Amino acid sequence: SQQGEEDPQALSIQEGENATMNCSYKTSINNLQWYRQNSGRGLVHLILIRSNEREKHSGRLRVTLDTSKKSSSLLITASRAADTASYFCATPAVQGAQKLVFGQGTRLTINP
Amino acid sequence: KAGVTQTPRYLIKTRGQQVTLSCSPISGHRSVSWYQQTPGQGLQFLFEYFSETQRNKGNFPGRFSGRQFSNSRSEMNVSTLELGDSALYLCASSLGASGGFYNEQFFGPGTRLTVL
Repeated sequence: SQQGEEDPQALSIQEGENATMNCSYKTSINNLQWYRQNSGRGLVHLILIRSNEREKHSGRLRVTLDTSKKSSSLLITASRAADTASYFCATPAVQGAQKLVFGQGTRLTINP
Repeated sequence: KAGVTQTPRYLIKTRGQQVTLSCSPISGHRSVSWYQQTPGQGLQFLFEYFSETQRNKGNFPGRFSGRQFSNSRSEMNVSTLELGDSALYLCASSLGASGGFYNEQFFGPGTRLTVL
């Protein structure tokens, strides 16, 4: 079963606009990660945020984490066509374990 | 450093056959995890190997098995293939240090398995 639920399932925006994706999870975590996947290829690690962090930035990416609401959001600013991909949040199933539990993902389409 | 490599990239098998997939982790990484990705079930954890020992296991039938060699390379095997085993199989490598710390995982490009 999936730990994370992502919202929306699909998002289509114009190039240059910002894209926001949300992820909710069920159990307590010590970190949450976001991954990108292009057209059924491998996953690319985007950012990891720890449970004691509230916000983290990496280039055009901004991730927030609200442990009280068990939710996280990924914001991509000034979107580009190359950002078209599926985005997944993932949490370790057990503290310290390498087993990740993924959400169903958000399919993001950037229109030129 | 070279990334995670998986072979083969594509595979077509028929029901009842068995298949072996290979994953070579990033040099120095000792943990290899395997995931199955399907449109219906999404990404699901199969198992993780660390120093040649299975450390974690997902909820998959015994037809799915794996192993890890002394050089950290890993193989997974699926016996008696079923149509529902058609999926993208991804492996991920990490340093895998224990002690309550999570190590970033690096994913390979995947093996696309089609069962006819």
